[in-house]
Amino acid sequence: AQKVTQAQTEISVVEKEDVTLDCVYETRDTTYYLFWYKQPPSGELVFLIRRNSFDEQNEISGRYSWNFQKSTSSFNFTITASQVVDSAVYFCALSEVPTMNRDDKIIFGKGTRLHILP
Amino acid sequence: GAVVSQHPSRVICKSGTSVKIECRSLDFQATTMFWYRQFPKQSLMLMATSNEGSKATYEQGVEKDKFLINHASLTLSTLTVTSAHPEDSSFYICSTLYDARPYTDTQYFGPGTRLTVL
Repeated sequence: AQKVTQAQTEISVVEKEDVTLDCVYETRDTTYYLFWYKQPPSGELVFLIRRNSFDEQNEISGRYSWNFQKSTSSFNFTITASQVVDSAVYFCALSEVPTMNRDDKIIFGKGTRLHILP
Repeated sequence: GAVVSQHPSRVICKSGTSVKIECRSLDFQATTMFWYRQFPKQSLMLMATSNEGSKATYEQGVEKDKFLINHASLTLSTLTVTSAHPEDSSFYICSTLYDARPYTDTQYFGPGTRLTVL
């Protein structure tokens, strides 16, 4: 069965600090997608990244970076030089690569609420 | 890029009434749409998967007679909460797959509908 665990329920850091959000996943599939979404107070989900299980390269996008480690089934997300606008709930998610007989369901972790203090 | 809209964004209703939420894909055809529910400070939970022209597939524990889903066209899916009760108060989010092709791009999420049942 698929499962996504975000052990950190809530994190508070002071602005400009770096912060890493942890994500550990479980799946029996060898092919899958991993996602990170941001949900600001407005509620709308903001897509941040999708990573295919075949691609273990780490990715950097501005102040955001992601560390995908298949050996530990982790897909951690780091925000460098955090800003107040980064305050939000962040969800890690997992999806099987769809086949003819399976829907592309996304399984979400419980989310990590991030507070960036000015 | 793809845009998904939801209407209404907020609704307050009396207990016992029915509420219809619309989810539209604005610039592409969506053969598959997903409906999620998010209780306060909790993760998104998939309620059902709807496919255009066929019956929706409900997740375990979701009452199909209470949450009616109609996916009558390639751009519109509706979720009707029948005889709503206060415990149905939640944030309802839809998402779509672009053409439901294998290895397709990520799901696109709507902005959500906040339902409050008095």
